[in-house]
Amino acid sequence: KAGVTQTPRYLIKTRGQQVTLSCSPISGHRSVSWYQQTPGQGLQFLFEYFSETQRNKGNFPGRFSGRQFSNSRSEMNVSTLELGDSALYLCASSHDSMNTEAFFGQGTRLTVV
Amino acid sequence: AQSVTQLDSQVPVFEEAPVELRCNYSSSVSVYLFWYVQYPNQGLQLLLKYLSGSTLVKGINGFEAEFNKSQTSFHLRKPSVHISDTAEYFCAVSEQKGYQKVTFGIGTKLQVIP
Repeated sequence: KAGVTQTPRYLIKTRGQQVTLSCSPISGHRSVSWYQQTPGQGLQFLFEYFSETQRNKGNFPGRFSGRQFSNSRSEMNVSTLELGDSALYLCASSHDSMNTEAFFGQGTRLTVV
Repeated sequence: AQSVTQLDSQVPVFEEAPVELRCNYSSSVSVYLFWYVQYPNQGLQLLLKYLSGSTLVKGINGFEAEFNKSQTSFHLRKPSVHISDTAEYFCAVSEQKGYQKVTFGIGTKLQVIP
């Protein structure tokens, strides 16, 4: 059974640009959650999607958005990139809800210069 | 809202010695508790979880944790660590009702010294 796949693994962008990250969950999983990981802040919850609907949302500005497709694949988008957006973005998939068990991808390392 | 406090940012320990990584949580409702491990350049992997039942939970790689409701703690322990246990460990909490988000602690870096 394939694990959670995040693409790309590494990304370098310039301030002001936008970026789209992709996450393919484990087959059969309908919940996808996104987290931002930085050395000073740890893992910060961005949002969760379930069956194409946003079910939970963290405290991030509107520049951070996401969506989920009918095959449960999810994308997150960050517009007008800032230097502080440099982080490891992690995606986690669950069958129904992350609060029973979640499987993480390896993450996308975003560097904003 | 729930929160998690990991009291130690770094824990150095000699190989084959025991280790305890501390975690305290705060929540006004019943919770689920988790410990995840992250190896360099990897995502997080679930070590163990407490959903209900016995307060002593055994996980993978010889780790165990004890849920203490009165002290709102969920400390992670291993009786004898190996070099391969060098990683970052995250405690996490979630409210039990419905499909709640999971809140993570800031992490504890375990460094096993040969």
